[in-house]
Amino acid sequence: SQQGEEDPQALSIQEGENATMNCSYKTSINNLQWYRQNSGRGLVHLILIRSNEREKHSGRLRVTLDTSKKSSSLLITASRAADTASYFCIAGNMLTFGGGTRLMVKP
Amino acid sequence: GAVVSQHPSWVICKSGTSVKIECRSLDFQATTMFWYRQFPKQSLMLMATSNEGSKATYEQGVEKDKFLINHASLTLSTLTVTSAHPEDSSFYICSAGTSGGSSTDTQYFGPGTRLTVL
Repeated sequence: SQQGEEDPQALSIQEGENATMNCSYKTSINNLQWYRQNSGRGLVHLILIRSNEREKHSGRLRVTLDTSKKSSSLLITASRAADTASYFCIAGNMLTFGGGTRLMVKP
Repeated sequence: GAVVSQHPSWVICKSGTSVKIECRSLDFQATTMFWYRQFPKQSLMLMATSNEGSKATYEQGVEKDKFLINHASLTLSTLTVTSAHPEDSSFYICSAGTSGGSSTDTQYFGPGTRLTVL
């Protein structure tokens, strides 16, 4: 089983629109991280939210965490073409994780 | 924040040669590091868990003699792809945690190494 599965698997939007991605996990965690990966590149750390936090902002990013539902969401506001990438969540020390959400932002 | 580096960032080698990839935790000690490989447009696949001072733990299906892991210090783990073949071409990523790989640890990922075997 995988700790952290993203939904949807793919998302295509127009520039300027908001993009919402969701992540679910199975076990108790102390924190959850969101990463971005551009095609063929490494993982870039976006934001970390701790289990005692419900919401966190960083620039155009907004992350929520619901520990009762074991889920998190990542909202990218006013999306740009440069936001096109795959987005992964990593819950705690997740050793395997899902395929991520592939976001495409059309100019 | 914690930083994990990898070297080299990309390497091209001939079939049959061996390639060593380094993973370093730059500002923290990591008793446990993880090695992943990623095929194009796919998720990361855990290959092995590298433990400082002891043998690595390999995931099912990963050849121990093919992918040699050495965790010689608390800040360095190396992955050596021995007798590389074109099918070993992939993106290799390491990660390190600050709490010895516990279930609530925070993992920090390296930037990855792209290996191309000709």
